[in-house]
Amino acid sequence: SQQGEEDPQALSIQEGENATMNCSYKTSINNLQWYRQNSGRGLVHLILIRSNEREKHSGRLRVTLDTSKKSSSLLITASRAADTASYFCATKKTGANNLFFGTGTRLTVIP
Amino acid sequence: DTAVSQTPKYLVTQMGNDKSIKCEQNLGHDTMYWYKQDSKKFLKIMFSYNNKELIINETVPNRFSPKSPDKAHLNLHINSLELGDSAVYFCASSQDLVGYDGYTFGSGTRLTVV
Repeated sequence: SQQGEEDPQALSIQEGENATMNCSYKTSINNLQWYRQNSGRGLVHLILIRSNEREKHSGRLRVTLDTSKKSSSLLITASRAADTASYFCATKKTGANNLFFGTGTRLTVIP
Repeated sequence: DTAVSQTPKYLVTQMGNDKSIKCEQNLGHDTMYWYKQDSKKFLKIMFSYNNKELIINETVPNRFSPKSPDKAHLNLHINSLELGDSAVYFCASSQDLVGYDGYTFGSGTRLTVV
């Protein structure tokens, strides 16, 4: 069954602006991951945050996790046209052996 | 050097046919997966193998049969293809079942059943 839902479904911003995407999930998790998918390509792992972590950074990416609200956010700062892609959150449920993916946010960065 | 490679990239076939998709990873990972992505971009787990052993077999029609000859390969055979099987199928791998380094995905196989 579907575990995560991203919000918004689509986001369009100007180059240089920040982009924030949210993910909500339903059950307890071991970790939460974010992936990027360019059109017609496979998914690329961006960042992983464990259930006992609240914030993590990687370059222009900042991920937060609130396990009490069962939600996470991905912030991309100083966006570039090359950031245009779909972004998915994926959760590793406690006791599960695979990732469950959300529905994705389609980000368009306008040059 | 492609880390996870799938073949073919595109597959167009008629209803009722049998087809196979191949997947190979050169990362030395123990665990491999098949996911199906539908037209709404939703990704659903189908199968997972760890060191050639079937770990996950989600509610998938038994027309779908995975085969893992060794831990670097996970192939997907589909019998009696139906229109509803049209989707993009992704192979992925991870270091182990815990997967703290994340998954590495192939570029996908777009299957169109006509």
